[in-house]
Amino acid sequence: GQNIDQPTEMTATEGAIVQINCTYQTSGFNGLFWYQQHAGEAPTFLSYNVLDGLEEKGRFSSFLSRSKGYSYLLLKELQMKDSASYLCAVRDGAGGGNKLTFGTGTQLKVEL
Amino acid sequence: SQTIHQWPATLVQPVGSPLSLECTVEGTSNPNLYWYRQAAGRGLQLLFYSVGIGQISSEVPQNLSASRPQDRQFILSSKKLLLSDSGFYLCAWANRAFYGYTFGSGTRLTVV
Repeated sequence: GQNIDQPTEMTATEGAIVQINCTYQTSGFNGLFWYQQHAGEAPTFLSYNVLDGLEEKGRFSSFLSRSKGYSYLLLKELQMKDSASYLCAVRDGAGGGNKLTFGTGTQLKVEL
Repeated sequence: SQTIHQWPATLVQPVGSPLSLECTVEGTSNPNLYWYRQAAGRGLQLLFYSVGIGQISSEVPQNLSASRPQDRQFILSSKKLLLSDSGFYLCAWANRAFYGYTFGSGTRLTVV
């Protein structure tokens, strides 16, 4: 099975940098994903890490350490529109189907 | 390009009534298909996934069922809705290489 932990809420200031952490315990790790979900909407894909290290994509970066069962999502130059829930998800490739198990999400509030 | 359609967007149903939610994918063949539910203030829970026509895997015992009558069609059903079936239902697809899910726009179901 999978166990994924991330903070419930975070608050940050417009223009600042925020780091959202995610720790996981899994029996069949095959990649880690980050999704963004605005209130009342479907999640949208942000990033994917399967190897250790940092993946950068514009203002968003994601880091993975498989030995520590740890990932973080880094958001730079925060904008008001970044206020959303950020979901960490682990891919379970075992048993077929390529399923994702999601954490409960981190609600980020960006303030002026 | 690939698109995923999910309908209806919102639904209010009385307890004990039947349910049918439909999801279709365009622009791809033989996708993996998924149904998730997100209860208010909670994480995404995988309900069903399918790797092919007529192949359904259930993740959580419940009052719901799923069917895949065609390659790109995935249906979520219930014979008699319960209050606890209320939530935000999301359909998703992934290709066999699996670079994460693409979600449909979701159906907000309220059982009254």
